[in-house]
This record gives sequence, C-alpha cells and structure tokens, in this order.
Amino acid sequence: AQSVAQPEDQVNVAEGNPLTVKCTYSVSGNPYLFWYVQYPNRGLQFLLKYITGDNLVKGSYGFEAEFNKSQTSFHLKKPSALVSDSALYFCAVRPHSGAGSYQLTFGKGTKLSVIP
Amino acid sequence: EADIYQTPRYLVIGTGKKITLECSQTMGHDKMYWYQQDPGMELHLIHYSYGVNSTEKGDLSSESTVSRIRTEHFPLTLESARPSHTSQYLCASSEFTGISGANVLTFGAGSRLTVL
Repeated sequence: AQSVAQPEDQVNVAEGNPLTVKCTYSVSGNPYLFWYVQYPNRGLQFLLKYITGDNLVKGSYGFEAEFNKSQTSFHLKKPSALVSDSALYFCAVRPHSGAGSYQLTFGKGTKLSVIP
Repeated sequence: EADIYQTPRYLVIGTGKKITLECSQTMGHDKMYWYQQDPGMELHLIHYSYGVNSTEKGDLSSESTVSRIRTEHFPLTLESARPSHTSQYLCASSEFTGISGANVLTFGAGSRLTVL
C-alpha cells in the first residue's frame, strides 16, 4: 500500500524568504505525485503534479516541486513567500498501476505560516 | 472558484438522527469521491463512484452510504448519526484525461458535521 509522510506539522517562514514544505512517499512502481493547498474553511485546491519527465514541476501561484526518485521525495518550494501563502498543504501519491492505483493517498498536511 | 457544491456547510445534530450531505458538480465529471478529514490527520477516502449507478467503498470503513443516480449528484447518508461521526466531509470530482492516475481532483468546500 502507498503512503505519504509530511514530517513537519508546521512550517514558519518570514515573508520574502524561500519556503520548503517536505514530502516523502512510498509506492510500488512509479508514482503520480500531487500538491494541494487548503485555505481556512475551504476545500482543497490543486497546485501542481508530477506525472513523468522533468523532475522540476512548476505550478500555480509561483510554487514548484522537485521529484527525487532516489530519495522518494517531492518537496514543495517557492522562492519568495507571501503572507497569502499561509495555508494547509497536502502532498498526495498514486501508483501508475496495480493495487491501489484507483486511490489517491494523502499526507497529514503541513500548516504553513508566513510571518509579515 | 470550483464548480462543486456541498450543503450544508455546517451541521450540528443529535445522536440517532438521519442526515444526508449533498454534493453536486456542474462540470460533467464522471468520477466523484467522498473524503473524511480530521484535524492533523490524512484525508481518508470513504466512498467513490466512477459513474451513474457505480459506487464503491474506500479505504476507511464508514457507516455511511452513497448513491449516484445522476452524474452531477453524489449524496452521502448516515442513517443514525453518532458522536464518532463528527468530522469534516469533503466531496470531490475528476474527469478522465487519458492518464487516469494523473486526474486532478476538484474539491467542494466541505461539510463540517458535529454529532452531540
């Protein structure tokens, strides 16, 4: 069965500084990887995804993520954080095929707080 | 703004009551999902549907039931609510894009249920 680990419950960063939200995964075979963001009292919104190819994926609102197969990681990054980036971020994985490929598995989420 | 709507957004009810959480989407998506979200926990898939008259249980055991009589509508019902059902319920949908595992989910804003 696949799994996702987001080792930090909370990340604090000063406005204007670079931010990183960490994600590692476990899956049989090749993964599809996703980042979603949840603002207060809202549903999750899609940020970006990795299917195949270039390891650096660019997404919405200036976010990007780097797929590292050897480290089984898919960390979310942004060069300069905004206060409006403060939200809950979820990493998710699904295998390309086999058992569990119908299901998207989410991590527990990381709360990002950007301090003015 | 996502074209997927959940009602009610907030519900407080007593033990033993029957409740239905409504979910409707206007995007014509074939696939629909119900997730349960608790603070600091992963989102857990409780039900999914790949089309009309198709429903399956997800990885988290749930006493709720779902139906899919129309493409756009995917209600979730609890016949007899208990305090253990207190949680946030998120509805989502996705369309087939040729690489099914890479489908992006569109989420509703959620229904927060409190059972006293």
